[in-house]
Amino acid sequence: DAGVIQSPRHEVTEMGQEVTLRCKPISGHNSLFWYRQTMMRGLELLIYFNNNVPIDDSGMPEDRFSAKMPNASFSTLKIQPSEPRDSAVYFCASSPYSEGRQPQHFGDGTRLSIL
Amino acid sequence: GDSVTQMEGPVTLSEEAFLTINCTYTATGYPSLFWYVQYPGEGLQLLLKATKADDKGSNKGFEATYRKETTSFHLEKGSVQVSDSAVYFCALSGSTSGTYKYIFGTGTRLKVLA
Repeated sequence: DAGVIQSPRHEVTEMGQEVTLRCKPISGHNSLFWYRQTMMRGLELLIYFNNNVPIDDSGMPEDRFSAKMPNASFSTLKIQPSEPRDSAVYFCASSPYSEGRQPQHFGDGTRLSIL
Repeated sequence: GDSVTQMEGPVTLSEEAFLTINCTYTATGYPSLFWYVQYPGEGLQLLLKATKADDKGSNKGFEATYRKETTSFHLEKGSVQVSDSAVYFCALSGSTSGTYKYIFGTGTRLKVLA
């Protein structure tokens, strides 16, 4: 079975540029999560979707960050404009909706470097 | 609110040594508990899980028992290998109805020396 697919795997761009990260969840999973991982802060939940609807975006750090899920098989996380402090590994995870009783499945992440 | 506390790393062991990584939790209800492993350059992978008190999760020689009385879910392995070197995360979720958030510990880095 295909797992969660993220693209690109690596992104290096200059400060001020728009960055778009993409995620394809596992088919049949109706919960989708975006996380950011850094050495300083560890794993942070940015936003959670259920059935394509954003339920909780309280973890989105600033208005520069936005996320969409236009359909059940695709989500994007956009940063505009990007800043060096946005450098991190961004993970997408999906799970069947079960009020947290089922484990999340993570993609391999996008390593983002903002110069 | 719910929380997970893991022992700080790094943990350095020789091959074939016994491993314990401590994890305790605070939750208002009855959560499911998980251990995830992250190898360099990869995402988190589910290692094992337990959904109710006294359940034992096991996988690849790793075990953890859901202890409600001590609110713990310690990870153990009898004989570690170099290939077990990774970061291990304890997590909980679903402690109360309608709770979707997964709460992760800070991770414990394990280094196994040949």
